[in-house]
Amino acid sequence: AQTVTQSQPEMSVQEAETVTLSCTYDTSESDYYLFWYKQPPSRQMILVIRQEAYKQQNATENRFSVNFQKAAKSFSLKISDSQLGDAAMYFCVMEYGNKLVFGAGTILRVKS
Amino acid sequence: ETGVTQTPRHLVMGMTNKKSLKCEQHLGHNAMYWYKQSAKKPLELMFVYNFKEQTENNSVPSRFSPECPNSSHLFLHLHTLQPEDSALYLCASSQEDSSSYEQYFGPGTRLTVT
Repeated sequence: AQTVTQSQPEMSVQEAETVTLSCTYDTSESDYYLFWYKQPPSRQMILVIRQEAYKQQNATENRFSVNFQKAAKSFSLKISDSQLGDAAMYFCVMEYGNKLVFGAGTILRVKS
Repeated sequence: ETGVTQTPRHLVMGMTNKKSLKCEQHLGHNAMYWYKQSAKKPLELMFVYNFKEQTENNSVPSRFSPECPNSSHLFLHLHTLQPEDSALYLCASSQEDSSSYEQYFGPGTRLTVT
């Protein structure tokens, strides 16, 4: 079975600081994708960043970057220079065969 | 309209009512999904449609009945629901033969069953 675990129910970060959200997953698949989705209070689910499992290079998208450790099945998200608009629920998601498996989510609070 | 739209955004219904949720995607995708998001539970996949054919039914009770008349529209017909069915229902779409399987989500319908 495919599972995604986010062990941090809630995190806080000061504006302009850096925060890292943790995620581990389990799969027997060799070909899969990993994503971080963001769900702000508006409830719209928005893709933040994508990582192909066959790529060793960590994905980056402006202030967002991941630390992908395939052997350890770890996929953490680093947000640099945090902004108030980053406050949201963040979901770590694994994709296989066009099915998405979601983690339980981490609420990120940004303090001004 | 762009992206994925859902109507209504909020719905309150009694347990004996019949209602429908509508989803429309304007992205030219060929796969559509219904998800249920309950408080304190991970997002649950309910149904998957590829090229208008249902390819996944995740043990969803029969009081939820999906319909996909074409690749742009997806409905979720609701009847004799229970209070525990109150949740946010999210629709998503993707291009099944793409390289990334990225799903695009609608804003959701907040359903309250009284």
